[in-house]
Amino acid sequence: DAKTTQPNSMESNEEEPVHLPCNHSTISGTDYIHWYRQLPSQGPEYVIHGLTSNVNNRMASLAIAEDRKSSTLILHRATLRDAAVYYCILHHTSGTYKYIFGTGTRLKVLA
Amino acid sequence: SAVISQKPSRDICQRGTSLTIQCQVDSQVTMMFWYRQQPGQSLTLIATANQGSEATYESGFVIDKFPISRPNLTFSTLTVSNMSPEDSSIYLCSVAGVGANVLTFGAGSRLTVL
Repeated sequence: DAKTTQPNSMESNEEEPVHLPCNHSTISGTDYIHWYRQLPSQGPEYVIHGLTSNVNNRMASLAIAEDRKSSTLILHRATLRDAAVYYCILHHTSGTYKYIFGTGTRLKVLA
Repeated sequence: SAVISQKPSRDICQRGTSLTIQCQVDSQVTMMFWYRQQPGQSLTLIATANQGSEATYESGFVIDKFPISRPNLTFSTLTVSNMSPEDSSIYLCSVAGVGANVLTFGAGSRLTVL
């Protein structure tokens, strides 16, 4: 199965943009890229997902490289409530339908 | 999105015993997934549980150790058998929404094995 790699941790100042990178060099053409985040003592919650084109929603933006071997989650204005572990996930839709989590990036937001 | 209830939320168990975790969904879902999250780690997929078929286990997980039932479209159980301290983890149930491809997670069941 294709996997993702992420930096272990990142820091950002409050109200500044945050760019969280993810590498998925072995991604297949039918794999979706998902991002979830996990707050302490909670299950992961959905942030955004995409296949080839960049995506925007009320929470974030997802920028996908043209070769799809990397992607970046963009939080436009970080708040203290955005402090969490962010997971880049590959959603396999060909063969066995499943979601494989990356190692995650712990985001710290500084006031 | 679906609402998922997991029971128990936490438990402390003795080595060698078994524990069954229940996952109840408030709507019918086809695909259900069980994950394990060891302390300080990411989530690892244990198996995919679809109603009406045998669960599909990931490499490193076997049915004898983690038997799964999926009797209908709103319910599943995961049993952790013959537990050892290495099984101390959070076990999470999740479901995929039809068409939207988005996963929804339960709050998890925190298991401590002494």
